[in-house]
Amino acid sequence: DGGITQSPKYLFRKEGQNVTLSCEQNLNHDAMYWYRQDPGQGLRLIYYSQIVNDFQKGDIAEGYSVSREKKESFPLTVTSAQKNPTAFYLCASSIDGVWSDTQYFGPGTRLTVL
Amino acid sequence: ELKVEQNPLFLSMQEGKNYTIYCNYSTTSDRLYWYRQDPGKSLESLFVLLSNGAVKQEGRLMASLDTKARLSTLHITAAVHDLSATYFCAVDMRNTGNQFYFGTGTSLTVIP
Repeated sequence: DGGITQSPKYLFRKEGQNVTLSCEQNLNHDAMYWYRQDPGQGLRLIYYSQIVNDFQKGDIAEGYSVSREKKESFPLTVTSAQKNPTAFYLCASSIDGVWSDTQYFGPGTRLTVL
Repeated sequence: ELKVEQNPLFLSMQEGKNYTIYCNYSTTSDRLYWYRQDPGKSLESLFVLLSNGAVKQEGRLMASLDTKARLSTLHITAAVHDLSATYFCAVDMRNTGNQFYFGTGTSLTVIP
């Protein structure tokens, strides 16, 4: 089955720790995205990548980092510099970065800072 | 800065009734998407609207796009409990070098 997988589903982090959220897709999509969702709010873009070895900051990139070494993988690291990281993180992909329609979302990772 | 506003933010409606959710956006775009999110779950794509005047229907939901008014609507006909979810619109600004911008969502509860 084609789709997007995210792991882990739930993640607990102590203050001061870096954590990495996994996102993998087997849809052969060029573009991948990371969003953050806070309770009762819409999605805000953290980072996106339109092609392998290239990525761009979104609206709320501070305290996060990404890499795109393979087409199918786009991991997100939440660093200790992110002041309020507790949120629901969603990874998405689209066929390309400009003209394709819609995005396909993974199941999400819920991160809680203890 | 692009603003995408949905209203209402919360909607409680009885089964069998009709209602419309509105999505207004502040700059030019002719591509807009609607998604559904169930509690604690991811987003599911509902409609893709790619031009002015586009109308799409699926079951009891119908979406339309008026790019001149910068307005999209999601109309619910004869609501049923299974439609209870949060609905998001997203404006596609990729052709201007930007990305997708999501509305704040409309939380819909259908009461038996």
